[in-house]
Order: sequence, then C-alpha cells, then structure tokens
Amino acid sequence: DTGVSQDPRHKITKRGQNVTFRCDPISEHNRLYWYRQTLGQGPEFLTYFQNEAQLEKSRLLSDRFSAERPKGSFSTLEIQRTEQGDSAMYLCASSSQGNYEQYFGPGTRLTVT
Amino acid sequence: SQQGEEDPQALSIQEGENATMNCSYKTSINNLQWYRQNSGRGLVHLILIRSNEREKHSGRLRVTLDTSKKSSSLLITASRAADTASYFCGHGSRLTFGEGTQLTVNP
Repeated sequence: DTGVSQDPRHKITKRGQNVTFRCDPISEHNRLYWYRQTLGQGPEFLTYFQNEAQLEKSRLLSDRFSAERPKGSFSTLEIQRTEQGDSAMYLCASSSQGNYEQYFGPGTRLTVT
Repeated sequence: SQQGEEDPQALSIQEGENATMNCSYKTSINNLQWYRQNSGRGLVHLILIRSNEREKHSGRLRVTLDTSKKSSSLLITASRAADTASYFCGHGSRLTFGEGTQLTVNP
C-alpha cells in the first residue's frame, strides 16, 4: 500500500454512460498525476495537477475527459459518453514538489460494454 | 505513442539467477526511474538514477545509465519468485514509460 487510494477499483459501464473516478493522494503531496494503461502497454500520461492547478494535459485527453482537483487534495477524473476504446486501467499517482518519485494508487479498471 | 522501449519484452528465468533488462529513451533526461508492476496493480518505485550518475545500487538491484547511448539497464541479482512482475523505466517529471519487460521467475 503506497498511501494513494483510488475508488472504485472496478467499474463496468455501458457505452454512452458517464463515469467518474476518484483519487486520494498522499496528504502532503502537492502533485497529482493521472495515467491510462491498456493491456500489455506501459502507462500513458493523461494530466497532472500542482495543488489545484491543472498544469498539463495530454493530447490523449479528449474533450470527453475532464479532471479536477478542487481543493488541492483529492482529484476526480470524469469520462463522458464512454466508448469501448476507453476500457483501460486508470492510474493515479502523487509526488511532492522537488521529488521525482511517484507513488501510484492501485488503479481503477474500467470496462465499457 | 510510447517514447521509450524496454528490452526484452519478456524474460523467463529460474529462481536464483540474475535478470537483466534494458531501457532506451529518445530525449534528454535529468533522471531515469525504474518501476515494478505486479499483475493488475499499481506501479511501485524501485530506484532513480540521475543523469550525472553511471551506476546505482539498492539491495539486489543495480541500475546503470549511459546518457551517450540513451540507455539504462536494471539488474536483479539472485532473483526470487516474488520478483515476477512487469518492469518499466520512466523519465520526466510526468513519466513517459515504455511497454515494459515481463519478468517471470520460476521456482
């Protein structure tokens, strides 16, 4: 257990539905990252926050994806109008400023049917 | 698309043997990190090596970095069945990973 938690751990949804995932980072970490990982691949960066500010978004993050970190603590990742191609493991990680080491949560596995 | 590559993609060894996996990257880096991922779980940080370092040790792990060749290697000595996992190298403040090396250690 790294201290980063994600909820839910598994989500099955029908195509077209909206889903929201939550990440609780290590409390003293001000940086929070979201990654997506498909089977057999390494994680791909989606977006990251420093405190409540979203500083970078990947081109992978289409308009259907939105992430927030309203008070600089937990973060949510919402996917609207899910597609089968969204099926993946969504990983959250956190780090403290000045430290490159990232602590990953267990991930949320999304299956879109 | 992934910007790094781990090699080999899969490695199967017997317990007690050493495992070596390699990583190549394409951009200039400040540091490079290695992570382990057990099946269906999140990644766990193993070791970080800075661009001005050539070798670093941590327990049974030995990492080398050759910035002229843009490559790194991870050596796990005296492997155990519990080392069975996927291993990824990553670099950058928002990590860029390759496809990983799937290591299987047979008891």
